[in-house]
Amino acid sequence: SYVLTQPPSVSVAPGKTARITCGGNNIGSKSVHWYQQKPGQGPVLVIYRDSDRPSGIPERFSGSNSGDTATLTISRVEAGDEADFYCQMWDSSSARVVFGGGTKLTVL
Amino acid sequence: EVQLVESGGGLVKPGGSLRLSCAASGFIFSSFSMNWVRQAPGKGLEWVSSISASSSYIYHADSVQGRVTISRDNAKNSVFLQMNSLRAEDTAVYFCAREMSRIVGAQGFDYWGQGTLVTVSS
Repeated sequence: SYVLTQPPSVSVAPGKTARITCGGNNIGSKSVHWYQQKPGQGPVLVIYRDSDRPSGIPERFSGSNSGDTATLTISRVEAGDEADFYCQMWDSSSARVVFGGGTKLTVL
Repeated sequence: EVQLVESGGGLVKPGGSLRLSCAASGFIFSSFSMNWVRQAPGKGLEWVSSISASSSYIYHADSVQGRVTISRDNAKNSVFLQMNSLRAEDTAVYFCAREMSRIVGAQGFDYWGQGTLVTVSS
């Protein structure tokens, strides 16, 4: 089955740029979505189809996907961005939804 | 306003059954695929099941295959998850989520409920 690999944690200072990666075999050929989840809350979609942003999501959130790595980039990080982030895709080969293991973003 | 409200969680003994429900409002329910995703305490998100808008396509994770059934009632704007032969490892918060498409796997999950807790313990 397809596996998505994320770093367990990423730390960044306020105002800097955070990059969270999601690795998978030839993931650049697939459509990747990203979710933010704060403690005690349901996930929120922040990027879909690699780089599209839902309405209401700040322009500071962006995405890219190429080769074996998809990346969620958060510019000008704020304290309120601290959360767990998950990548997700549809594996058509196995007809399964796949989530990455999640990355905890800490704002220093 | 789009709302998804899960119900039906609770404490159940190993080997028991539960039926989760998700009531949807604020959108044309019959136009979207629906999904169940769970999260064990302190763990990450795990996909459970998906159903297309017309119920033509249904998919289940290997971890629950043969023990769960997803269904929907478009007239009642609801999606269900029947869970049987429950195990301790099924303990989790179960979220209902809308896919941005009629077709499973085409887009991301743009709306999520707050979840319902299922605890499997003797």
